[in-house]
Amino acid sequence: AQKVTQAQTEISVVEKEDVTLDCVYETRDTTYYLFWYKQPPSGELVFLIRRNSFDEQNEISGRYSWNFQKSTSSFNFTITASQVVDSAVYFCALSEEGTGFQKLVFGTGTRLLVSP
Amino acid sequence: KAGVTQTPRYLIKTRGQQVTLSCSPISGHRSVSWYQQTPGQGLQFLFEYFSETQRNKGNFPGRFSGRQFSNSRSEMNVSTLELGDSALYLCASRIAGGPYEQYFGPGTRLTVT
Repeated sequence: AQKVTQAQTEISVVEKEDVTLDCVYETRDTTYYLFWYKQPPSGELVFLIRRNSFDEQNEISGRYSWNFQKSTSSFNFTITASQVVDSAVYFCALSEEGTGFQKLVFGTGTRLLVSP
Repeated sequence: KAGVTQTPRYLIKTRGQQVTLSCSPISGHRSVSWYQQTPGQGLQFLFEYFSETQRNKGNFPGRFSGRQFSNSRSEMNVSTLELGDSALYLCASRIAGGPYEQYFGPGTRLTVT
């Protein structure tokens, strides 16, 4: 069965610090997709990134960067120069794909608190 | 483009009652999924609909059901509510036919007393 582990329950940083959120996954599929979502206090899950299993290039988007390593089954997320607005719960997810369906398996989330 | 909308945003029901939640996907998205989020179990997949057909179902009792209409709007129903059904119910839509990302609505917060 597919599984996503986010071992960090809560991280507290001071504004402008860099922070890395860890994500480790388990799957027997050779083709799979990984996602990161942000959940601010309002409750809505906001899509951040999708990565497929055959593309191990790191990705950078502004202050956000993602490091995907198949050898360690990890898909870590780094926020550079954190800001108070980054405070939220961040979820890593793995998709189980089938003919016509997609089921996301989520980790337990990491709560990030950025203080001024 | 308007995002995923869910109604109502908040609901308070009594044990034993039933409830219907509604979801309107992003225009052009034909796949709709439902998730339940609780502090104890986290985010769990309920079911996914595409072309008015349930394509996949999570590990939930038969009290949880859903449907999708020809305009891709979806509803989920929970009958004989239990206290443990109190949760945030999130709907997500995506472009069907590929491993596209899901976009989530703001959720419906259901409280069962």
